[in-house]
Amino acid sequence: QVQLQQWGAGLLKPSETLSLTCAVYGGSFSGYYWSWIRQPPGKGLEWIGEINHSGSTNYNPSLKSRVTISVDTSKNQFSLKLSSVTAADTAVYYCARVRRGYSYARYYYYGMDVWGQGTTVTVSS
Amino acid sequence: DIQMTQSPSSVSASVGDRVTITCRASQGISSWLAWYQQKPGKAPKLLIYAASSLQSGVPSRFSGSGSGTDFTLTISSLQPEDFATYYCQQANSFPPITFGQGTRLEIK
Repeated sequence: QVQLQQWGAGLLKPSETLSLTCAVYGGSFSGYYWSWIRQPPGKGLEWIGEINHSGSTNYNPSLKSRVTISVDTSKNQFSLKLSSVTAADTAVYYCARVRRGYSYARYYYYGMDVWGQGTTVTVSS
Repeated sequence: DIQMTQSPSSVSASVGDRVTITCRASQGISSWLAWYQQKPGKAPKLLIYAASSLQSGVPSRFSGSGSGTDFTLTISSLQPEDFATYYCQQANSFPPITFGQGTRLEIK
Protein backbone atom coordinates (compact mmCIF):
# COMPACT_ATOMS: atom_id res chain seq x y z
CA GLN A 1 0.00 0.00 0.00
CA VAL A 2 1.69 3.16 -1.20
CA GLN A 3 1.62 6.07 1.22
CA LEU A 4 2.81 9.64 0.85
CA GLN A 5 3.95 11.54 3.91
CA GLN A 6 4.70 15.23 3.60
CA TRP A 7 6.21 17.83 5.87
CA GLY A 8 7.54 21.37 5.93
CA ALA A 9 7.26 24.76 7.58
CA GLY A 10 3.71 25.90 8.15
CA LEU A 11 4.19 29.59 8.90
CA LEU A 12 6.16 31.92 6.66
CA LYS A 13 6.69 35.64 6.35
CA PRO A 14 6.22 37.46 3.05
CA SER A 15 9.24 37.14 0.73
CA GLU A 16 10.43 33.90 2.36
CA THR A 17 10.75 30.59 0.55
CA LEU A 18 8.23 27.80 1.10
CA SER A 19 9.85 24.38 1.36
CA LEU A 20 7.97 21.08 1.53
CA THR A 21 9.05 17.46 1.14
CA CYS A 22 7.01 14.37 0.31
CA ALA A 23 8.24 10.85 1.00
CA VAL A 24 6.96 7.78 -0.82
CA TYR A 25 6.57 4.60 1.21
CA GLY A 26 5.60 1.11 0.16
CA GLY A 27 5.80 1.33 -3.59
CA SER A 28 7.85 2.04 -6.67
CA PHE A 29 9.20 5.52 -7.17
CA SER A 30 10.04 5.11 -10.83
CA GLY A 31 7.38 4.82 -13.50
CA TYR A 32 5.27 7.65 -12.11
CA TYR A 33 5.14 11.40 -12.02
CA TRP A 34 4.95 13.09 -8.63
CA SER A 35 2.94 16.25 -8.29
CA TRP A 36 2.24 19.18 -6.00
CA ILE A 37 -1.23 20.71 -5.77
CA ARG A 38 -2.49 23.49 -3.52
CA GLN A 39 -5.85 24.67 -2.23
CA PRO A 40 -6.35 28.18 -0.81
CA PRO A 41 -8.81 28.41 2.09
CA GLY A 42 -12.36 27.84 0.85
CA LYS A 43 -11.27 27.58 -2.77
CA GLY A 44 -10.56 24.99 -5.43
CA LEU A 45 -7.51 22.97 -6.43
CA GLU A 46 -4.53 24.43 -8.28
CA TRP A 47 -1.83 22.29 -9.89
CA ILE A 48 1.67 23.55 -9.11
CA GLY A 49 3.85 21.12 -11.02
CA GLU A 50 5.31 17.64 -11.26
CA ILE A 51 8.52 15.64 -11.53
CA ASN A 52 9.45 12.09 -12.44
CA HIS A 53 12.22 9.89 -11.08
CA SER A 54 14.60 11.12 -13.78
CA GLY A 55 14.11 14.72 -12.72
CA SER A 56 11.97 15.78 -15.68
CA THR A 57 9.67 18.57 -14.57
CA ASN A 58 6.56 20.42 -15.69
CA TYR A 59 5.38 23.58 -13.96
CA ASN A 60 2.27 25.69 -13.95
CA PRO A 61 3.21 28.74 -16.06
CA SER A 62 1.50 31.01 -13.51
CA LEU A 63 4.03 29.92 -10.85
CA LYS A 64 6.98 28.81 -12.95
CA SER A 65 9.23 31.75 -12.14
CA ARG A 66 9.04 30.97 -8.40
CA VAL A 67 8.76 27.16 -8.30
CA THR A 68 11.39 24.45 -8.13
CA ILE A 69 10.50 20.78 -7.77
CA SER A 70 13.33 18.36 -7.15
CA VAL A 71 13.72 14.66 -6.51
CA ASP A 72 15.95 12.50 -4.31
CA THR A 73 15.63 8.97 -5.62
CA SER A 74 17.95 7.57 -2.93
CA LYS A 75 15.33 8.50 -0.34
CA ASN A 76 12.20 8.15 -2.52
CA GLN A 77 11.40 11.78 -1.84
CA PHE A 78 10.48 14.83 -3.85
CA SER A 79 10.40 18.43 -2.76
CA LEU A 80 8.77 21.76 -3.52
CA LYS A 81 10.30 25.18 -3.16
CA LEU A 82 8.26 28.31 -3.80
CA SER A 83 10.16 31.56 -3.49
CA SER A 84 9.04 35.08 -2.60
CA VAL A 85 5.80 33.98 -1.01
CA THR A 86 2.93 36.38 -0.35
CA ALA A 87 -0.40 36.04 1.42
CA ALA A 88 -1.82 34.72 -1.86
CA ASP A 89 0.29 31.58 -1.39
CA THR A 90 -1.53 30.71 1.83
CA ALA A 91 -3.06 27.30 1.16
CA VAL A 92 -3.11 23.63 1.98
CA TYR A 93 -0.39 21.99 -0.10
CA TYR A 94 -0.73 18.37 -1.21
CA CYS A 95 1.65 15.96 -2.85
CA ALA A 96 0.26 13.22 -5.08
CA ARG A 97 1.28 10.31 -7.27
CA VAL A 98 0.39 10.73 -10.94
CA ARG A 99 -0.28 7.85 -13.29
CA ARG A 100 0.72 9.31 -16.60
CA GLY A 101 3.02 8.39 -19.41
CA TYR A 102 3.32 6.58 -22.70
CA SER A 103 2.55 2.97 -23.44
CA TYR A 104 3.45 1.66 -26.90
CA ALA A 105 3.91 5.31 -27.92
CA ARG A 106 0.35 6.17 -26.85
CA TYR A 107 -0.23 8.80 -24.17
CA TYR A 108 -2.27 7.92 -21.14
CA TYR A 109 -3.41 9.74 -18.00
CA TYR A 110 -4.96 7.75 -15.21
CA GLY A 111 -5.23 10.40 -12.54
CA MET A 112 -3.66 11.24 -9.19
CA ASP A 113 -4.35 8.10 -7.23
CA VAL A 114 -2.39 8.52 -3.99
CA TRP A 115 -2.27 11.75 -2.00
CA GLY A 116 -0.37 13.05 0.97
CA GLN A 117 -2.18 14.25 4.06
CA GLY A 118 -1.75 17.94 3.20
CA THR A 119 0.28 20.68 4.85
CA THR A 120 -1.27 23.98 5.82
CA VAL A 121 1.01 26.87 4.90
CA THR A 122 0.19 30.35 6.13
CA VAL A 123 2.01 33.45 4.93
CA SER A 124 1.69 36.33 7.34
CA SER A 125 3.84 39.15 8.61
CA ASP B 1 -4.77 27.01 -20.67
CA ILE B 2 -7.74 24.68 -20.91
CA GLN B 3 -10.60 25.92 -18.76
CA MET B 4 -12.77 23.35 -17.02
CA THR B 5 -16.29 24.47 -16.10
CA GLN B 6 -18.45 22.39 -13.81
CA SER B 7 -22.19 22.64 -13.37
CA PRO B 8 -23.92 23.04 -11.13
CA SER B 9 -21.64 24.74 -8.60
CA SER B 10 -23.75 23.24 -5.86
CA VAL B 11 -26.60 20.79 -5.67
CA SER B 12 -28.90 19.59 -2.90
CA ALA B 13 -30.10 16.01 -2.99
CA SER B 14 -31.45 13.27 -0.77
CA VAL B 15 -30.15 9.82 0.09
CA GLY B 16 -31.15 7.48 -2.71
CA ASP B 17 -31.31 10.19 -5.38
CA ARG B 18 -29.53 9.99 -8.70
CA VAL B 19 -27.19 12.93 -9.23
CA THR B 20 -25.33 14.04 -12.34
CA ILE B 21 -22.51 16.60 -12.42
CA THR B 22 -21.29 18.04 -15.70
CA CYS B 23 -17.81 19.20 -16.68
CA ARG B 24 -17.09 21.08 -19.89
CA ALA B 25 -13.61 21.71 -21.30
CA SER B 26 -12.80 24.87 -23.25
CA GLN B 27 -11.26 22.67 -25.95
CA GLY B 28 -11.16 18.99 -26.72
CA ILE B 29 -9.29 16.83 -24.23
CA SER B 30 -9.97 13.38 -25.71
CA SER B 31 -10.82 11.16 -22.71
CA TRP B 32 -8.08 12.38 -20.40
CA LEU B 33 -10.36 13.50 -17.62
CA ALA B 34 -10.45 12.47 -13.99
CA TRP B 35 -13.01 13.01 -11.23
CA TYR B 36 -12.17 13.48 -7.55
CA GLN B 37 -14.19 13.57 -4.34
CA GLN B 38 -13.06 15.78 -1.47
CA LYS B 39 -14.46 15.86 2.04
CA PRO B 40 -13.75 18.74 4.45
CA GLY B 41 -10.23 18.66 5.82
CA LYS B 42 -9.23 15.70 3.67
CA ALA B 43 -7.17 15.20 0.53
CA PRO B 44 -9.04 14.59 -2.72
CA LYS B 45 -9.80 10.99 -3.64
CA LEU B 46 -9.65 9.69 -7.20
CA LEU B 47 -13.00 8.27 -8.34
CA ILE B 48 -12.87 8.05 -12.14
CA TYR B 49 -9.98 8.23 -14.61
CA ALA B 50 -9.86 8.26 -18.40
CA ALA B 51 -13.39 9.69 -18.31
CA SER B 52 -15.14 6.41 -17.54
CA SER B 53 -12.79 4.00 -15.74
CA LEU B 54 -13.65 3.33 -12.11
CA GLN B 55 -10.71 3.60 -9.73
CA SER B 56 -10.09 0.44 -7.72
CA GLY B 57 -12.08 0.36 -4.49
CA VAL B 58 -14.61 2.99 -5.57
CA PRO B 59 -18.26 1.87 -5.32
CA SER B 60 -19.98 1.01 -8.58
CA ARG B 61 -22.69 3.63 -7.98
CA PHE B 62 -20.16 6.13 -9.33
CA SER B 63 -19.81 6.29 -13.10
CA GLY B 64 -18.32 8.66 -15.64
CA SER B 65 -18.91 9.29 -19.31
CA GLY B 66 -18.00 11.64 -22.13
CA SER B 67 -15.18 12.54 -24.45
CA GLY B 68 -13.96 15.61 -26.27
CA THR B 69 -15.36 18.58 -24.35
CA ASP B 70 -18.36 17.29 -22.40
CA PHE B 71 -18.22 14.91 -19.47
CA THR B 72 -20.50 13.73 -16.69
CA LEU B 73 -20.13 12.12 -13.30
CA THR B 74 -23.19 10.21 -12.12
CA ILE B 75 -23.95 8.85 -8.69
CA SER B 76 -26.76 6.35 -9.18
CA SER B 77 -28.09 6.21 -5.61
CA LEU B 78 -26.70 8.71 -3.15
CA GLN B 79 -25.36 7.40 0.12
CA PRO B 80 -24.73 9.52 3.24
CA GLU B 81 -20.97 9.30 2.73
CA ASP B 82 -21.25 10.80 -0.79
CA PHE B 83 -21.98 14.32 0.40
CA ALA B 84 -18.77 16.13 -0.52
CA THR B 85 -17.24 18.38 -3.15
CA TYR B 86 -16.43 16.93 -6.56
CA TYR B 87 -13.78 18.15 -8.99
CA CYS B 88 -13.02 17.31 -12.59
CA GLN B 89 -9.46 17.58 -13.92
CA GLN B 90 -7.93 17.46 -17.37
CA ALA B 91 -4.43 16.35 -18.32
CA ASN B 92 -4.64 16.17 -22.09
CA SER B 93 -2.99 19.49 -22.79
CA PHE B 94 -0.57 20.84 -20.24
CA PRO B 95 1.09 22.49 -18.54
CA PRO B 96 -0.95 23.35 -16.74
CA ILE B 97 -3.09 20.48 -15.58
CA THR B 98 -6.37 22.19 -14.71
CA PHE B 99 -9.28 21.48 -12.39
CA GLY B 100 -12.90 22.52 -12.50
CA GLN B 101 -14.07 24.91 -9.83
CA GLY B 102 -15.83 22.15 -7.90
CA THR B 103 -19.40 21.04 -7.28
CA ARG B 104 -20.63 20.93 -3.71
CA LEU B 105 -23.11 18.14 -3.09
CA GLU B 106 -25.25 18.88 -0.05
CA ILE B 107 -27.94 17.04 1.83
CA LYS B 108 -31.47 18.25 1.09
